[in-house]
Amino acid sequence: EVQLVESGGGLVQPGGSLRLSCAASGFTVSNNYMSWVRQAPGKGLEWVSMIYDGGNTYYADSVKGRFTISRHNSKNTMYLQMNSLGVEDTAEYFCAREGKFYHGMDVWGQGTTVTVSS
Amino acid sequence: IQMTQSPSSLSALVGDRVTITCRASQTIRNYLNWYQQKPGEAPKLLIYGASGLQGGVPSRYSGRGSGTDFTLTINSLQPEDFATYYCQQSYSTPRTFGQGTKLEIK
Repeated sequence: EVQLVESGGGLVQPGGSLRLSCAASGFTVSNNYMSWVRQAPGKGLEWVSMIYDGGNTYYADSVKGRFTISRHNSKNTMYLQMNSLGVEDTAEYFCAREGKFYHGMDVWGQGTTVTVSS
Repeated sequence: IQMTQSPSSLSALVGDRVTITCRASQTIRNYLNWYQQKPGEAPKLLIYGASGLQGGVPSRYSGRGSGTDFTLTINSLQPEDFATYYCQQSYSTPRTFGQGTKLEIK
């Protein structure tokens, strides 16, 4: 079964760090474009970052310089290292696979909650 | 690339036909996707490439458009269709979503 499972969310103080994981099954992370998307409470979807199959990485301006996307091929897992967290980063974080046709996000994880608060 | 959806909310009856519009700030060719999200759930891909129906999605859903203007139409609304819908461009990075359209039961 094709599946993504996120983990690593939690409560962190402003200025702190957190690393999210996205474990894939049923397909190979390194053969696909993969993204992180977040959703603040009661708000819409916001794209955060992506990693291409070739390894190129891209970030939203709101997280550039603070977040780092990576993957571990042998673990078939993608990560999001989040540093210098602010209250504005409080959100549900989803990982998603982009499909081969027009890059629609066709597989999503269930989400992991990040709360930044003192 | 900015994505603008309209309307932001919509009330309709079971059995109605509804159309949601999405406009891109520059051409995105056919790289436009539509998602459905229900409370507490991850988004679900409905339409890819402006008009391609994702596997398992009912045929009452359809998408049209190219360039900058796109529509999502739902024919004969069913109770399970009441949700929030998002458009998203995959033409370039950063990827961007519309602000969402909340479809509610009238």
